[in-house]
Amino acid sequence: GQQVMQIPQYQHVQEGEDFTTYCNSSTTLSNIQWYKQRPGGHPVFLIQLVKSGEVKKQKRLTFQFGEAKKNSSLHITATQTTDVGTYFCAGRDYKLSFGAGTTVTVRA
Amino acid sequence: DARVTQTPRHKVTEMGQEVTMRCQPILGHNTVFWYRQTMMQGLELLAYFRNRAPLDDSGMPKDRFSAEMPDATLATLKIQPSEPRDSAVYFCASGPGTTIDIQYFGAGTRLSVL
Repeated sequence: GQQVMQIPQYQHVQEGEDFTTYCNSSTTLSNIQWYKQRPGGHPVFLIQLVKSGEVKKQKRLTFQFGEAKKNSSLHITATQTTDVGTYFCAGRDYKLSFGAGTTVTVRA
Repeated sequence: DARVTQTPRHKVTEMGQEVTMRCQPILGHNTVFWYRQTMMQGLELLAYFRNRAPLDDSGMPKDRFSAEMPDATLATLKIQPSEPRDSAVYFCASGPGTTIDIQYFGAGTRLSVL
């Protein structure tokens, strides 16, 4: 069955640096969503990608859907303390599955 | 400001008791999801409704869990009898369309079973 894998599980970033988190699927996805969950909060929808090779930007966040629609990435530039939290991807082939998330901490 | 509303926010109960969690999806949304989140297992999909019909409850322990949508404004998740291993945060989410997987999450119900 489908499994959505996220790497890394933890990301410790110096404030101001860039980082990337990855989402990989064993099967082709029809779409992928990214969510952010702050500590003690609930997942909040960030973006949905549908097209092969699609790239979307939200301020310092860049989301990409792979050409084969089996992987996706989230790149954050100039990390800020407000970026702290867990970033989840969720993808669908015949069913929707969430990755385990990348938990981001920021060193000021 | 449309949002998914979950009640109660916190619940402490004793093993063997029935627990009912409620969710009011965003008006007009026709998909509803129930998730359980723990440190060990992460975010697990328990049940998924579309137009109030259950489409997928394969992630839900059938012997003690049940999920229903009595009407379009209410979804319920029941645990009977509850066990300590059910302690978790339970999230409800709703979505705007049958072909769109975007979900808006409620604040969650934090359940502790003693």
